[in-house]
Amino acid sequence: GAVVSQHPSRVICKSGTSVKIECRSLDFQATTMFWYRQFPKQSLMLMATSNEGSKATYEQGVEKDKFLINHASLTLSTLTVTSAHPEDSSFYICSTDRALTLRSYEQYFGPGTRLTVT
Amino acid sequence: GIQVEQSPPDLILQEGANSTLRCNFSDSVNNLQWFHQNPWGQLINLFYIPSGTKQNGRLSATTVATERYSLLYISSSQTTDSGVYFCAVEHSMIYNQGGKLIFGQGTELSVKP
Repeated sequence: GAVVSQHPSRVICKSGTSVKIECRSLDFQATTMFWYRQFPKQSLMLMATSNEGSKATYEQGVEKDKFLINHASLTLSTLTVTSAHPEDSSFYICSTDRALTLRSYEQYFGPGTRLTVT
Repeated sequence: GIQVEQSPPDLILQEGANSTLRCNFSDSVNNLQWFHQNPWGQLINLFYIPSGTKQNGRLSATTVATERYSLLYISSSQTTDSGVYFCAVEHSMIYNQGGKLIFGQGTELSVKP
């Protein structure tokens, strides 16, 4: 498998502030990481694909200026929620995909970060 | 885009019972994974199974890619099996986006002692 960590596991911030979430691939180099958001009692929704050394690719409807993604190394991707509002409160989960063959990948997830904006 | 539907949405079992969870998908896939999300939110990899059958202890999974469905079997269920089970697929028509997974809505399983 693969080991993925996230920090912090839980954060509470005031409306209007920014919050940075870190995602680390601990046991292999990840050229690609993914960021998902999960609201209570709902499924995971992909927000963006983070590529090492290049700009992230955002899913339709996700504001790239609000959710800043940086993938500066092969083991670290960060998601910054800028000017957070209460509606940004959610469970944010990152993942990496580990190649099994040239065209197949298995995805492994971090433990998630619970963001509460007051 | 590809649609992923899971059934049933909720399931309550007595400890020791068996169950089958289903995942239907609307188009061909490169990848299909089953996950268990525990009460703390951690997604645990159960199976990578774009086709065929696999078994791991009390769990097994079968994917029939030509008929676009996958089944997850849980035998002799335990209270620790409680949580949400997700099926997620990678659409085979999406090139150069290795690993982009689309999730179903999940099956929430509750196993009673």
